[in-house]
Formats: sequence, structure tokens, C-alpha cells
Amino acid sequence: EDQVTQSPEALRLQEGESSSLNCSYTVSGLRGLFWYRQDPGKGPEFLFTLYSAGEEKEKERLKATLTKKESFLHITAPKPEDSATYLCAVQGSGNTGKLIFGQGTTLQVKP
Amino acid sequence: NAGVTQTPKFQVLKTGQSMTLQCAQDMNHEYMSWYRQDPGMGLRLIHYSVGAGITDQGEVPNGYNVSRSTTEDFPLRLLSAAPSQTSVYFCASTPPGSNQPQHFGDGTRLSIL
Repeated sequence: EDQVTQSPEALRLQEGESSSLNCSYTVSGLRGLFWYRQDPGKGPEFLFTLYSAGEEKEKERLKATLTKKESFLHITAPKPEDSATYLCAVQGSGNTGKLIFGQGTTLQVKP
Repeated sequence: NAGVTQTPKFQVLKTGQSMTLQCAQDMNHEYMSWYRQDPGMGLRLIHYSVGAGITDQGEVPNGYNVSRSTTEDFPLRLLSAAPSQTSVYFCASTPPGSNQPQHFGDGTRLSIL
């Protein structure tokens, strides 16, 4: 059964304090791993898609990496505006179009 | 483009009432889906559609119906609301092509008393 687990559930950082969020997954034939950002009262907003182990993608202070078992979202020198819930999801070869989501990591960055 | 539009944004129902959550997209996406989001549970797929006239069940379909008469619209119906259906509901659409990211609406917050 396809499964996604994110850790930690919640993370508090000081502004400028770099850290990483983890997304562990089991899936039959990974077709894509997706990272989303969700602000309170809003829908998830797409950040990155990773397709194969070793792949990395960057956007501003965020960098996503992928191995065969997990993905990391690295946040470098975060700012208060990076505060949000970060969601990880996978699409397997047997689930055309379907995404399996993790529970999310809620990040709070204090000034 | 407005993207994915969901209405209403908030709704309170009594147990046993029925209602329809509306979802519309103006991006001509074939694939659309409905999720519910509950604390500690992540987003769970309720129903999805790969095109007009075609729908299928997701992970948690019980108590919900969908139809897809047009490419643009994908309404979700609660036939007889139960307190367990209190949740935030998100609609999403996906561009054509494999492994494309889903675009989400801003959700409907539903409370069943």
C-alpha cells in the first residue's frame, strides 16, 4: 500500500535558522513526488515535482531533494513569510493521477 | 484565468440535510478530484474524474456522490450529512500529461451539527 509520512509534525525556527523537513514514502513505481505549501485558510500551492532519486530542485530559500525512500525540503535562512504547512505527496505507477498525501509539517518562523 | 473556484467558502448544516459543494475550473483540465482535509489525517481523496462523463471512487467515497457533465464543473453532493463529514473540502484539477501537479481551490469549510 502506498504511504507517505512526514516529520516533524511541527517545527519552530528563528529567522535565519536553517533546517530540513522529511518526507518518507513507500510507493509502487514512483511517478512523481510533489511538495506543496499551504497557508491558513487556503488551498495547497504547488512548489516542486521530483521524479527520480538524486534529483534536486530549488526555489528561493527552498531546496527539495529525493532518494529512493525519502525526500527532504531544506529551508535556508528562513524568513517569517516562510511560515506555512508543507505537504508532501506521491503518485505511483498504479494510481493514474491519484496523489497520496502525508500529514504535513507546520513550520513557524519567528522574527 | 480564475483557476479552481469553490463555493461556498463556509457552510453549516444539520445532520440529515443534503447539499452540493461546487467546483469550477477555467483551465480546460480533464482530470479533477475532491479531497477532504482533517487534522492529523492529511488530504484524502474522495472521488475523481478523468473527463466529462467519467467518475471513480477514491479512498473515502462513502456518503458522497459526484457527476461530471462538463469539463469545467465537478460538484460534490452530500446526500444526508453526518457529523463525521465535518471537514475542509478541496477540489483540484490537473493539466494534461503525466505527472503534472494538481491545482487546488481554496476549499469549503463544512460543519455538520
